Amino acid sequence: EVQLVQSGAEVKKPGESLKISCKGSGYSFTSYWIGWVRRMPGKGLEWMGIIYPGDSDTRYSPSFQGQVTISADKSISTAYLQWSSLKASDTAMYYCARSQPPGGGIDNWFDPWGQGTLVTVSS
Amino acid sequence: EIVMTQSPATLSVSPGERATLSCRASQSVRSNLAWYQQKPGQAPRLLIYGASTRATGIPARFSGSGSGTEFTLTISSLQSEDFAAYYCQQYNNWPYTFGQGTKLEIK
Repeated sequence: EVQLVQSGAEVKKPGESLKISCKGSGYSFTSYWIGWVRRMPGKGLEWMGIIYPGDSDTRYSPSFQGQVTISADKSISTAYLQWSSLKASDTAMYYCARSQPPGGGIDNWFDPWGQGTLVTVSS
Repeated sequence: EIVMTQSPATLSVSPGERATLSCRASQSVRSNLAWYQQKPGQAPRLLIYGASTRATGIPARFSGSGSGTEFTLTISSLQSEDFAAYYCQQYNNWPYTFGQGTKLEIK
């Protein structure tokens, strides 16, 4: 069974750093893009960025460029989303998702999705 | 960046009736459009890709149509479990973009 399992909820203070994870199983981790999506409270879904673990090709949405870092460790089939200095406005649910079809092409839909990681940033 | 616009923002429909949700792209995305369903407390679930292909396990009452800039998701006979938020998403160009969503509620 193809699965993405995300790390647990986090409560952080403004200015702190954070790295959340998304572990893939049941498929060839290096052959599919992993994407990260944000859902702020009461808002819709926003694409943050995508990474192709096979060659670490990473793309960021303009709104998130420079604000977060996406990485992957293919030895443990895990993708990461990290912040160096959190803000209150980073409070949101974050989802990872796997692309379809396999391969490095960019025109992909995403399925399945991880269960989400809730990040709360508050002083 | 391609802007995706969904309408209506909220749709009130009775169980058993048909629901039609619309999605418009600011420029052509060909057929590179997906629809997702999201229920409270759950991750998004892929319903449709390629504008009209149902994802694995999705009931036949869900259908998608359109190409270019105009797309439609139709749910032919609403079941109680279908009341949720629905998002369209283009994947023709990076950055991918979602519509703002349509909330389907029980009338």
